[in-house]
Amino acid sequence: KAGVTQTPRYLIKTRGQQVTLSCSPISGHRSVSWYQQTPGQGLQFLFEYFSETQRNKGNFPGRFSGRQFSNSRSEMNVSTLELGDSALYLCASSLSGQGTDTQYFGPGTRLTVL
Amino acid sequence: DAKTTQPPSMDCAEGRAANLPCNHSTISGNEYVYWYRQIHSQGPQYIIHGLKNNETNEMASLIITEDRKSSTLILPHATLRDTAVYYCIVLPIGSARQLTFGSGTQLTVLP
Repeated sequence: KAGVTQTPRYLIKTRGQQVTLSCSPISGHRSVSWYQQTPGQGLQFLFEYFSETQRNKGNFPGRFSGRQFSNSRSEMNVSTLELGDSALYLCASSLSGQGTDTQYFGPGTRLTVL
Repeated sequence: DAKTTQPPSMDCAEGRAANLPCNHSTISGNEYVYWYRQIHSQGPQYIIHGLKNNETNEMASLIITEDRKSSTLILPHATLRDTAVYYCIVLPIGSARQLTFGSGTQLTVLP
């Protein structure tokens, strides 16, 4: 079974631009979560989607948004990029996101904002 | 997340067992212990989880103390590819996934 895939793997943008990242979960997984990872802040939860609905949201500004499609694929968007948005963005999928469902992570998208 | 405490770094000789400790003295009865690892610049990888019994899978063994206040992840025969940051986290049963990693333990397997 294929793992979680994320595209693109690397991205360079400038301040003020916007960016869209894509995540394809493991087949059959319906929950997709997004995380931001930086050396200073560690791993931080952005949001979780299940059945095309945002089920949980972390403490990030409204510039960070996401959506999930009927095939469970998900995208996240960051508008008006800031230098501090430079990070590894990780997507993780699980069957339902409940109970002891294990989350499986993708390789991440490395975003650099100049 | 201050729920777990891990040593910042450990070394292990290749072929030997790597024993990574984790303290979670405030764990609640409905919380599982999970272990993930992250090889440099890659996404985190799930290793194992447990509630109160010892667990073993193809990657590792998890030993949880009887009072559940600490646990040890054991990699029975460490290889160079096991060099990574290892994260121990506690998660409540029945909650949606909102993982938070602490600083973890940098395990370096030496040739």
